[in-house]
Amino acid sequence: DAGVTQSPTHLIKTRGQHVTLRCSPISGHKSVSWYQQVLGQGPQFIFQYYEKEERGRGNFPDRFSARQFPNYSSELNVNALLLGDSALYLCASSLVNRGEQYFGPGTRLTVT
Amino acid sequence: AQKVTQAQTEISVVEKEDVTLDCVYETRDTTYYLFWYKQPPSGELVFLIRRNSFDEQNEISGRYSWNFQKSTSSFNFTITASQVVDSAVYFCALSDTNAGGTSYGKLTFGQGTILTVHP
Repeated sequence: DAGVTQSPTHLIKTRGQHVTLRCSPISGHKSVSWYQQVLGQGPQFIFQYYEKEERGRGNFPDRFSARQFPNYSSELNVNALLLGDSALYLCASSLVNRGEQYFGPGTRLTVT
Repeated sequence: AQKVTQAQTEISVVEKEDVTLDCVYETRDTTYYLFWYKQPPSGELVFLIRRNSFDEQNEISGRYSWNFQKSTSSFNFTITASQVVDSAVYFCALSDTNAGGTSYGKLTFGQGTILTVHP
């Protein structure tokens, strides 16, 4: 079975621009979560979606938004990019009642 | 608020040595899950184990073993006879659950421990 897929792999943006990151979960997984991992730190929770509804939000500004589609894929949007948004963005999917999350390869975002 | 502490920032061992990675957590929930993930240089987080807060049995999987002690809020990970391929960053994580024991997916990660195994 295919694992979690994310696109694009790498992205370079300029301060003030907007970015959209995409994620496709493992087949059968209805929950998708997004994490930000800054170099040298553990991943930080951004959003969690289940059945197209937001079920959790981390301590991130309103510039960050997300949505989940009927096929359970998800998008993470970041507006008005700042240099500090440079990070590895990880998507994870899970079966809600199992708990363990399976992560995709991530999108490396660089803001210049 | 939940918190996970991995006090060891970096560990360096020689191949075939045993190594233990420490993890201490804080939560007010009575039901929760604990996890260990491995992040090799490629960057993708690899799931290693999940432990339910009600199950304090230690677990062994090949060269890997985990020691969960609720009394000390610790969930330590031991690699026996380490190999060069074990070199990676290891993360301990904590997930809360709702009253029904369902985990909705917010993982709180520790800062990670960089393990380097030298040949």
